[in-house]
Amino acid sequence: GESVGLHLPTLSVQEGDNSIINCAYSNSASDYFIWYKQESGKGPQFIIDIRSNMDKRQGQRVTVLLNKTVKHLSLQIAATQPGDSAVYFCAEKGYSGAGSYQLTFGKGTKLSVIP
Amino acid sequence: ETGVTQSPTHLIKTRGQQVTLRCSSQSGHNTVSWYQQALGQGPQFIFQYYREEENGRGNFPPRFSGLQFPNYSSELNVNALELDDSALYLCASSQGRGAGELFFGEGSRLTVL
Repeated sequence: GESVGLHLPTLSVQEGDNSIINCAYSNSASDYFIWYKQESGKGPQFIIDIRSNMDKRQGQRVTVLLNKTVKHLSLQIAATQPGDSAVYFCAEKGYSGAGSYQLTFGKGTKLSVIP
Repeated sequence: ETGVTQSPTHLIKTRGQQVTLRCSSQSGHNTVSWYQQALGQGPQFIFQYYREEENGRGNFPPRFSGLQFPNYSSELNVNALELDDSALYLCASSQGRGAGELFFGEGSRLTVL
């Protein structure tokens, strides 16, 4: 079946540095991707999304890049702060029948920010 | 505006028992999706409820079932619990079945002994 996966399971960065979290997807028909942040003991929180007709989308301190040629997504966090420490998931929207859609999540990357 | 709330937050069951988890959707949302998140893994889609009917299901056996009520709140029921059912169960609400943003609750942590 189709899957979404992550290259790196853990990432440690110095406070103030930029972070880059990568994600590979296998379904070339996917047209919508989302990044979620999950802090310990909490549910996933939406960060930013991107549709397949875009290569880049920017939010507040975050940028998502989409390379459809190699089926790769990345999340860039500028000036990483201790509050950014969490597990980050990329997710791919897929059709689950009867007009409904589901998200397929990767395993996640744990980001640790060193003060 | 209230967010997605789930109950209970933690519970322990033994193998073979049954469990019911509850979810109140965010105000204005009519769709509820349930996800299972095993330790160290990403969430996996169980099923979605829209207008009180299941309308999308992931790769989970029939002993995973659900309900949605007229106020759009939802229940997840799991029968004949197995050890591998130990996980964080996440409820997410959205407006409509499609590409609406999902808002997740904090989850119910189920441990099966």
